[in-house]
Amino acid sequence: DGGITQSPKYLFRKEGQNVTLSCEQNLNHDAMYWYRQDPGQGLRLIYYSQIVNDFQKGDIAEGYSVSREKKESFPLTVTSAQKNPTAFYLCASSNTGGSGHQHFGDGTRLSIL
Amino acid sequence: DAKTTQPPSMDCAEGRAANLPCNHSTISGNEYVYWYRQIHSQGPQYIIHGLKNNETNEMASLIITEDRKSSTLILPHATLRDTAVYYCIVRVAFVNAGKSTFGDGTTLTVKP
Repeated sequence: DGGITQSPKYLFRKEGQNVTLSCEQNLNHDAMYWYRQDPGQGLRLIYYSQIVNDFQKGDIAEGYSVSREKKESFPLTVTSAQKNPTAFYLCASSNTGGSGHQHFGDGTRLSIL
Repeated sequence: DAKTTQPPSMDCAEGRAANLPCNHSTISGNEYVYWYRQIHSQGPQYIIHGLKNNETNEMASLIITEDRKSSTLILPHATLRDTAVYYCIVRVAFVNAGKSTFGDGTTLTVKP
């Protein structure tokens, strides 16, 4: 089945440590996105990429980095500069054809040890 | 992209229609209304979208006012599994979603 796979489902980080969240899609979508969700709140955009080897900052990019070396992959690194990384992270993809709606993965929950 | 306003919470009796409103008074002529829902601890799921005509699919119906400044998502026969947070998004379609904004949405609770 086509879809978006995020891994791991749960991730723990020590203070001062960088961690990378994986996002893979087999929908052949051009665009991919990373969102952060805090408890009881909506989604906030971290980074998005409309094409391979190109990406743009969203509303809360500080302390995060991304790469887009392949169409199907858009990993997110949470760096030690992100002082409050505990959150639910969601990856999405979309295409310019059809309705253009976003398809979401099931998320990664990151916690600080 | 235009901003949307939704009530923070709503209740609905099981088997009854759930009507979720969304205000988008600053919507532009080329912006579509999209609805998603998020069941606890899962990723959001696309429900439906429309421009100015009413739309219906197997999940829901979307009613957009003639001036396009508001819309209503209708779940015709709500079940307990429809309990979720519902997000109304407004943006240009057929291009990448870019900086589409998900607000806090409406928490719909379907009660037995």
